[in-house]
Amino acid sequence: EVQLVESGGGLVQPGGSLRLSCAASGFTLSRYWMSWVRQAPGKGLEWVANIRQDGGEKYYVDSVKGRFTISRDNDKNSLYLQMNSLRAEDTAVYYCARQDVGLFDPWGQGTLVTVSS
Amino acid sequence: QAVLTQPASLSASPGASASLTCTLRSGINVGPYIIYWYQQKPGSPPQYLLTYKSDSDKQLGSGVPSRFSGSKDTSANAGILLISGLQSEDEADYYCMIWYSSAWVFGGGTKLTVL
Repeated sequence: EVQLVESGGGLVQPGGSLRLSCAASGFTLSRYWMSWVRQAPGKGLEWVANIRQDGGEKYYVDSVKGRFTISRDNDKNSLYLQMNSLRAEDTAVYYCARQDVGLFDPWGQGTLVTVSS
Repeated sequence: QAVLTQPASLSASPGASASLTCTLRSGINVGPYIIYWYQQKPGSPPQYLLTYKSDSDKQLGSGVPSRFSGSKDTSANAGILLISGLQSEDEADYYCMIWYSSAWVFGGGTKLTVL
């Protein structure tokens, strides 16, 4: 079964850091682009970042550039999102998703990040 | 102005059809864009529905009923998700998405109520 499982979310103070992980199973991670997408409570979807199969190409939404870093370890079947200088507006459920051009499927169940003092 | 604009809500009756629009910002021509559609039900992650660029370049997601289809209205500069034969299980949030300016951009989403 193709599956993605996120972890690493939690409560963090403004200005703090957090590293999210996404464990992939049931498919060969190295064959796919991967993305992070977030959803603030009661709000819509916002794409955050994506990364090419070999990690050599990355893209970010403007609001996280310079603060978030996407990375991957294909040998460990894992995707990561390092989040620094966190702000209240970064509070959201963060999903990882396998990407085939714009076809995001599957999605993980998400991990909640809460930025609050 | 947002890149993609979707009506916040839409209501329709069971058995009827619903047309969900995704309007591109003025100056961005819908013609060349591939539009992706996602469905999200409460408490669940989004699920891929379909891809639409043209009638000869489209794709329906695996397991997605043929009641779901995509199109474009070039006069309105919009992508359209059409759901025919509405069922109660179609009640959900629907999002469109395109690749624009080196980023994936989602519309704000439409909450579809079937009543």
